[in-house]
Amino acid sequence: DAGVIQSPRHEVTEMGQEVTLRCKPISGHNSLFWYRQTMMRGLELLIYFNNNVPIDDSGMPEDRFSAKMPNASFSTLKIQPSEPRDSAVYFCASRKGDYTGELFFGEGSRLTVL
Amino acid sequence: EDQVTQSPEALRLQEGESSSLNCSYTVSGLRGLFWYRQDPGKGPEFLFTLYSAGEEKEKERLKATLTKKESFLHITAPKPEDSATYLCAVQSPNTGNQFYFGTGTSLTVIP
Repeated sequence: DAGVIQSPRHEVTEMGQEVTLRCKPISGHNSLFWYRQTMMRGLELLIYFNNNVPIDDSGMPEDRFSAKMPNASFSTLKIQPSEPRDSAVYFCASRKGDYTGELFFGEGSRLTVL
Repeated sequence: EDQVTQSPEALRLQEGESSSLNCSYTVSGLRGLFWYRQDPGKGPEFLFTLYSAGEEKEKERLKATLTKKESFLHITAPKPEDSATYLCAVQSPNTGNQFYFGTGTSLTVIP
């Protein structure tokens, strides 16, 4: 199995620009999670989907962040407009079960907003 | 408020020097406690799941144990390749699917 695939691995952009991060979960997994990792706050859950439906987006920082999952094999996290404080590593993870079981993480997308 | 606290923040060991990492949690009920390993520039890699107090899991030089308030990750005779950040996460029925992650312990094993 190829595992969770994220792109791009690195993104450098200027403040105000739109950023789109992409994720392909493991085939057959029902749940998909977006996390953000920083030195100060560690791993923070932004949003998760179950069977392509957003279940909890309470971790999304503000309206500048949006996430979609149009089908079982693809999800996007969009930031518009981006700000320097959005600089972090963004991880996508998937899980086979609806409510229990371990998460499998992608390699992450490192975002730098200048 | 549900919390997960890991200690120490950083640990340096000589090769072969055994030690333990701690993960203490305050959650209302526990659906599962998870240990992950994270290498620099990589995503967290799943190691163990523990579900109930008294449970133990082993993998090579690592052994995870669980009590009602904390979990330990014991590292026996570590090697330099065990150097990584170790994260624990808890899942609480009060929050459904959500995993609470600790901030991790950065382990360095010196040859």
